[in-house]
Amino acid sequence: EAGVTQFPSHSVIEKGQTVTLRCDPISGHDNLYWYRRVMGKEIKFLLHFVKESKQDESGMPNNRFLAERTGGTYSTLKVQPAELEDSGVYFCASSQATIAGYPQETQYFGPGTRLLVL
Amino acid sequence: SQQGEEDPQALSIQEGENATMNCSYKTSINNLQWYRQNSGRGLVHLILIRSNEREKHSGRLRVTLDTSKKSSSLLITASRAADTASYFCATGLEYGNKLVFGAGTILRVKS
Repeated sequence: EAGVTQFPSHSVIEKGQTVTLRCDPISGHDNLYWYRRVMGKEIKFLLHFVKESKQDESGMPNNRFLAERTGGTYSTLKVQPAELEDSGVYFCASSQATIAGYPQETQYFGPGTRLLVL
Repeated sequence: SQQGEEDPQALSIQEGENATMNCSYKTSINNLQWYRQNSGRGLVHLILIRSNEREKHSGRLRVTLDTSKKSSSLLITASRAADTASYFCATGLEYGNKLVFGAGTILRVKS
């Protein structure tokens, strides 16, 4: 079974440009999460999708970040315009749903996208 | 506010020795999970312990949880060079589904 995949693995952009990160969750996982680790800090939650709906977007830092999951499969995270402080590693994770529809506790992470904003 | 804090920040041991990492947290939790990250790679899930459990084993891993002290420890026995990685604890809160991560412990196992 393929794991969570993320594209690109690395991205270097200029301040003010736009970058779009993609995440493909494990097939059949309804729950998809975005996290990020900026320089020297903890890995922090950004948002959680259940299928195509945003369940919790309390961690999104500002309106320069837009996440979508059209069709409930893969997700994109767009940063527009990118700022220097957006540099870091962006992780995606997915989890199954229980029979009752709640997310399974174990989240499976992708390799991350390393973003550098110059 | 930071939920999880881990100590030590870095640990260097010889192959064959045991490694112990600790994690403290601040709020009530549903579960606590440990992840490993090898250099430049993604996070690999190691083990999950629920708030009503006190100890769990998986291979060479032993995790304990003390909810009264809001702390957990991860013990890796008979360490190997391949265990060299960063280790993170992450708490699943009572409400919501997000994980709250600690800063991590960098473990180096020398052969």
